[in-house]
Amino acid sequence: NAGVTQTPKFRILKIGQSMTLQCTQDMNHNYMYWYRQDPGMGLKLIYYSVGAGITDKGEVPNGYNVSRSTTEDFPLRLLSAAPSQTSVYFCASSYSWTGAYEQYFGPGTRLMVT
Amino acid sequence: GESVGLHLPTLSVQEGDNSIINCAYSNSASDYFIWYKQESGKGPQFIIDIRSNMDKRQGQRVTVLLNKTVKHLSLQIAATQPGDSAVYFCAESSNRDDKIIFGKGTRLHILP
Repeated sequence: NAGVTQTPKFRILKIGQSMTLQCTQDMNHNYMYWYRQDPGMGLKLIYYSVGAGITDKGEVPNGYNVSRSTTEDFPLRLLSAAPSQTSVYFCASSYSWTGAYEQYFGPGTRLMVT
Repeated sequence: GESVGLHLPTLSVQEGDNSIINCAYSNSASDYFIWYKQESGKGPQFIIDIRSNMDKRQGQRVTVLLNKTVKHLSLQIAATQPGDSAVYFCAESSNRDDKIIFGKGTRLHILP
């Protein structure tokens, strides 16, 4: 199993541009998550999904959108890039709710908005 | 609001000594706690977890202690090795919640 994969690894965006961060998992996990990690800080939850067709907002959803059309994929879309969205973005997945099952993280996407 | 925090942002430990990383939480409803290790340039990796009905749980070279009275969590690493250099995060979740909340992190630096 490849686990959780993310693309791209690194991207530079201009203010106002949009882009989609891709996340795929091959572990047949129901739950998937998107976090952002600012320098020297912990992870903050952007959006999560408990199954295909279901998504929910996390702590910091503004400026982002998600969809979950399949179990495997959970893309994160930046609608109009802002400098405040410069961060490292991590996708994660788990079999079920986080009180019972371990989360597996992808390697991250480093995004810079200039 | 509810939060998970850490006492020290950086911890330097001599190689071979034991490391203790501390974490305070404020949500009394949290009943599941996790420690993650994040190496430079990588995503967080699960180390060990503990539920609120336990005070202590041991893994390979790691022990997590939970003190619910003072809402305190600690991670003990025995015989610290250079490969233990990383940022360590505590995280919390409440019963059957769909998500966890991460603390800020502590950087563990191993001295030769």
